[in-house]
Amino acid sequence: EIVLTQSPGTLSLTPGERATLTCRANQSVSGNYLGWYQQRPGQAPRLLIYGAFTRATGIPDRFSGSGSGKDFTLTISRLEAEDFALYYCQQYGSSLTFGGGTKVEIK
Amino acid sequence: QVQLVQSGGEVKKPGASVKVSCKTSGYLFTAYGIMWLRQAHGQGLEWMGWISGYNGKTHYAQSLQDRVTVTSDSSTSTVFMELTSLTSNDTAVYYCARAPGGGPYNWYDAWGQGTLVTVSS
Repeated sequence: EIVLTQSPGTLSLTPGERATLTCRANQSVSGNYLGWYQQRPGQAPRLLIYGAFTRATGIPDRFSGSGSGKDFTLTISRLEAEDFALYYCQQYGSSLTFGGGTKVEIK
Repeated sequence: QVQLVQSGGEVKKPGASVKVSCKTSGYLFTAYGIMWLRQAHGQGLEWMGWISGYNGKTHYAQSLQDRVTVTSDSSTSTVFMELTSLTSNDTAVYYCARAPGGGPYNWYDAWGQGTLVTVSS
């Protein structure tokens, strides 16, 4: 099973700052089949990125995904108030697994 | 617009079964699959089972395959997830999510609002 480890567990930043979230797999993710989701409290997850770098429909361009193989990154270029939330990575190249999440909180 | 609307919260006793529905609209039902996932309070996401909107083919997580059944009614574009032999460990929010493509392992681009299932004696 592919295990995804997200870091850091919590990221404390202020609005306008850049956020860099990391997702590391214990083995290479086939086809770079890696997605990122945002989850606000009390809401369902929302797809941000799939295929490691393709933004989902309606996702602002301040969100970007990068990486390949075992190491992937979600970058939020300038944090807005609604971006403070929980973020999960997910791989779907070999079965399906999710990372443990990174919480982006207001500093 | 694409919508997935789930049935309401449930409270069940240990040993009982629960059936949660997910009514879809705004897209061609047969062109997508539906995945069921769950999230215990404060925990991460766990996938449970998937069904093809095209031919009703299913695929289940090994850890749950003896207890979970996913079915669909294409006439109403509704998908159902039944979980049997409930224990307190099954207390969670259950989500349905739309899966592009023809297989279970995918990204999920639209989600239901979630259904809280509480298992308590």
